[in-house]
Amino acid sequence: KAGVTQTPRYLIKTRGQQVTLSCSPISGHRSVSWYQQTPGQGLQFLFEYFSETQRNKGNFPGRFSGRQFSNSRSEMNVSTLELGDSALYLCASSLTGTPRETQYFGPGTRLLVL
Amino acid sequence: AQSVSQHNHHVILSEAASLELGCNYSYGGTVNLFWYVQYPGQHLQLLLKYFSGDPLVKGIKGFEAEFIKSKFSFNLRKPSVQWSDTAEYFCAVSSTGSARQLTFGSGTQLTVLP
Repeated sequence: KAGVTQTPRYLIKTRGQQVTLSCSPISGHRSVSWYQQTPGQGLQFLFEYFSETQRNKGNFPGRFSGRQFSNSRSEMNVSTLELGDSALYLCASSLTGTPRETQYFGPGTRLLVL
Repeated sequence: AQSVSQHNHHVILSEAASLELGCNYSYGGTVNLFWYVQYPGQHLQLLLKYFSGDPLVKGIKGFEAEFIKSKFSFNLRKPSVQWSDTAEYFCAVSSTGSARQLTFGSGTQLTVLP
């Protein structure tokens, strides 16, 4: 089975721009979660989607948004980029997103904001 | 809100030494506990997890962890480390309930010297 894939792998943007990141979960997985990883804050939960619905959201400003499509693929959007948004953005998938399920992580998209 | 503490930020060991990485969590209810590992240049992957039952759980690559409820701890152990264990190790917790997110510790960088 193919793993979680994320595109693009690297991005360079400037302040004020917006960016869209994509995540394709493992086949059959319907829950997709997004995390931000930075040296200072570590891994922080952004949001989780299941069946095209956002079920849970972390403590991030409204500039961070996402969506999920009927094929379970998910996109994450960050508008009005700030320097502090530079991070590795990780996507994880699981079958249904129950708390006991293992989440399988993708390689991440490394975003640099200049 | 749940939180996870990993007090060892960087651990350096020689091959064949024994390893113990500390993890303490803060949450009043029932939790699910995980250890993830991130090898250089690779995805986050699950080492082991604990939900209930035997508090000593075994994972991949010879790792094990012990859940001590009275101490709110879930320490990771390995009797004899190898150079290939060099990686960053993350403890994480999810709560049994409606929240579908992993809360991660800040991570411990393990360097094993040959």
